[in-house]
Amino acid sequence: DQQVKQNSPSLSVQEGRISILNCDYTNSMFDYFLWYKKYPAEGPTFLISISSIKDKNEDGRFTVFLNKSAKHLSLHIVPSQPGDSAVYFCAASAIGYGGSQGNLIFGKGTKLSVKP
Amino acid sequence: EPEVTQTPSHQVTQMGQEVILRCVPISNHLYFYWYRQILGQKVEFLVSFYNNEISEKSEIFDDQFSVERPDGSNFTLKIRSTKLEDSAMYFCASRDSSVQPQHFGDGTRLSIL
Repeated sequence: DQQVKQNSPSLSVQEGRISILNCDYTNSMFDYFLWYKKYPAEGPTFLISISSIKDKNEDGRFTVFLNKSAKHLSLHIVPSQPGDSAVYFCAASAIGYGGSQGNLIFGKGTKLSVKP
Repeated sequence: EPEVTQTPSHQVTQMGQEVILRCVPISNHLYFYWYRQILGQKVEFLVSFYNNEISEKSEIFDDQFSVERPDGSNFTLKIRSTKLEDSAMYFCASRDSSVQPQHFGDGTRLSIL
């Protein structure tokens, strides 16, 4: 079952332009969402998160938008840089629900390539 | 910046043998996790550990798996009788409170021959 879906396996963007990575989820109990970046031979690195009580969270070049009614979130990177080239994973958890210890459900990832 | 450390980076083991994967979580963290990623597939949750006991586990985490925090700093995953399908990257993660993100180690690549 795919509770968290990233439907684009890859995305190519020109340096300086905006990168938009999308993620959909099906479980309405999810209340905490995260984006991780992963380089080959490394573990996922936390980028940015958003709680379900918000619809936007911003950190420098990275902004995450959450649309609860559509069960959709997106990560915007602007401006994109060649060093942003990596696989980006969307993840979700149901922290606010009794007994949950916040285990993460991951999407399959989107490989972002930023061309100079 | 504090890191989650995993050893070894690569483990090659004969099928049927026991293997122990080791992790040193970030020192003030309270919640510990193991995930795995089979080649070409998504990262999957295995088990969470809090207050010296398992708090949640997935269907993957069957009787061949166990976890332990033997000395207050290490967090280990033991696979008792390895199978070919256990070949994967195994990631350890930790966090310090319920609204903080999990931080991951660089993983152990487990290859079962």
